[in-house]
Amino acid sequence: DSGVTQTPKHLITATGQRVTLRCSPRSGDLSVYWYQQSLDQGLQFLIQYYNGEERAKGNILERFSAQQFPDLHSELNLSSLELGDSALYFCASSVVESGGEQFFGPGTRLTVL
Amino acid sequence: GENVEQHPSTLSVQEGDSAVIKCTYSDSASNYFPWYKQELGKRPQLIIDIRSNVGEKKDQRIAVTLNKTAKHFSLHITETQPEDSAVYFCAANKWSTGNQFYFGTGTSLTVIP
Repeated sequence: DSGVTQTPKHLITATGQRVTLRCSPRSGDLSVYWYQQSLDQGLQFLIQYYNGEERAKGNILERFSAQQFPDLHSELNLSSLELGDSALYFCASSVVESGGEQFFGPGTRLTVL
Repeated sequence: GENVEQHPSTLSVQEGDSAVIKCTYSDSASNYFPWYKQELGKRPQLIIDIRSNVGEKKDQRIAVTLNKTAKHFSLHITETQPEDSAVYFCAANKWSTGNQFYFGTGTSLTVIP
């Protein structure tokens, strides 16, 4: 157990819908990263927050957004869902802003039907 | 942006043999290179990392080498064991104005008892 929690574990929804994925970092970690893992594309970095502020953006679609709250938990919002958005979404946390070990949560498996 | 290539995509070795996985990166400013192990259905876990001011790092049966001139880094696993079977991902990170992580496409390692 890494100490990072993600909810829900599984999510099944329909195209066009909107979902919110939640992540709670390890106690004391200020950085939260979001990743998308699909079978054909490996791990894709989406976005990073550090102490409530956005720090880096990767391959995150405009339909996706995220935020980190004062209690440091983070939410990833996915809207206008498409079949191709079906994937495993991981969050990871780190105590430092960059270049440090990231601890991954168990992931949320999203299935868009 | 950064481009990380990882080879091979699959690797089978006999128990006790060594395994080597190679990654190349394109951005010479990248300065942090972690390796993650992901067992089937589980979260990625950091197994070793190296920074650009170091050429080699070792942790028991695992070692990583970095060649900054050639822009490649490699994971070496010696005396492989069946529990080493997993997917291994390399990543490159550059901390400057952003903190994006770029992952390789993964290597599925099978250790045959």
